[in-house]
Amino acid sequence: QSALTQPASVSGSPGQSITISCTGTIIDVESYDLISWYQQHPGKAPKLMIYEAFKRPSGVSNRFSGSKSGNTASLTISGLQAEDEADYYCCSYAGTVTYWVFGGGTKVTVL
Amino acid sequence: QLQLQESGPGLVKPSETLSLTCTVSGGSISNTNYYWGWIRQPPGKGLEWIGNIYYSGATYYNPSLKSRVTISVDTSKNQFSLKLSSVTAADTAVYYCASKTGDAFNIWGQGTMVTVSS
Repeated sequence: QSALTQPASVSGSPGQSITISCTGTIIDVESYDLISWYQQHPGKAPKLMIYEAFKRPSGVSNRFSGSKSGNTASLTISGLQAEDEADYYCCSYAGTVTYWVFGGGTKVTVL
Repeated sequence: QLQLQESGPGLVKPSETLSLTCTVSGGSISNTNYYWGWIRQPPGKGLEWIGNIYYSGATYYNPSLKSRVTISVDTSKNQFSLKLSSVTAADTAVYYCASKTGDAFNIWGQGTMVTVSS
């Protein structure tokens, strides 16, 4: 059981927007904005898409955006494209005992 | 451009120690802006953070693995290493090394599959 809860799957048609949620607790998501999101295609290493809840690394499409409210962080993909089909993981800092926790992952399917 | 590459045995016997090394190229492991981490992914499952190390040797471990994990750094070789003792089949996974800056794992190695089996 992962520390952060994500939906197992989310799907959408090309051009649509989808949102993936990442629900934590007061010891992680709710207490820190140190949330990151990773995209992982099959057989590949994860790729950083969002850091510090809403910041985008250089080179990441502005179709990807992050937000946070209370104990839930979210990743929104707008203008969904076939290449966005992948697994997505959230990660949060969880204090000086647990440090870093990942969500269980969400499989995004482009219909 | 920072690059990371994992290396080590792909097969480890139960109860033995898993040992992996991550070689950093394109930058210095002593860069004060970076931490260096290990993350693993069992087949068909999600990511699990194992631990981080700073160039000074300061370490931070997942509490669930802390009793079995040692992460070390060799600045002269621009490498950091993972040792996981008393392994079982549950430790079978793809092991990734990664750099951490801006409180996120920004650069990842390609990963190396380690199977625990007799």
